[in-house]
Amino acid sequence: EVQLVESGGDLVQPGGSLRLSCTTSGFSFNSYDMNWVRQAPGRGLEWVAYISSGSTTYIADSVKGRFSVSRDNAKGSLYLYMYSLRADDTALYFCARGRQCTGGNCYVDYWGQGTLVTVSS
Amino acid sequence: EVLLTQSPGTLSLFPGERVTLSCRASQSVSGRSLAWYQQQPGQAPRLLIYGATARATGIPDRFSGSGSGTDFSLTISRLEPEDSAVYYCQQYGYSPWTFGRGTKVEIK
Repeated sequence: EVQLVESGGDLVQPGGSLRLSCTTSGFSFNSYDMNWVRQAPGRGLEWVAYISSGSTTYIADSVKGRFSVSRDNAKGSLYLYMYSLRADDTALYFCARGRQCTGGNCYVDYWGQGTLVTVSS
Repeated sequence: EVLLTQSPGTLSLFPGERVTLSCRASQSVSGRSLAWYQQQPGQAPRLLIYGATARATGIPDRFSGSGSGTDFSLTISRLEPEDSAVYYCQQYGYSPWTFGRGTKVEIK
């Protein structure tokens, strides 16, 4: 069974930093492209970051220069590094397995349950 | 950025009814690169349809997708109580991939 489990969400002050983790199981992690997608409270879905199986990365313009993504294939883990956090980064952050990815554009066949990041003073 | 407009915003229907949700793109979506997701309250989204028409693994055949170019639809042929959810379309033909704002389906 494919499982994606996020962790690391927290309450952080504006300007702060955070690292989110996604631990995976049930599939060959090193063969799949992965993504982070976020959902602000009561709002829709927004793609944040992509990393290919070979570690090519794309970052959404809304967070470019502040967020980065990495992976550890040996551990089956995905990471999102978040810096200079702002109130509008407050959201539930989902780890998402990408399929039919071309140039960083994918659909998602499996989602984690999300980890909540709250940016507030 | 490709803007996806979903309509209607909210629907309230009885079990057994047929419903069609619309997703219109601001430009033609290449390769029919459009997916649909269902998100129930407090849950992660679930993939229903990809490639505009292909059902994901384990999705009941009462869910079907259609369309091409700029106009796409998700049809639920016979509503079940568990279909109460928000439904999102997503295009993955252009960077960045984008989602619609969702259609909320309520079951009476």
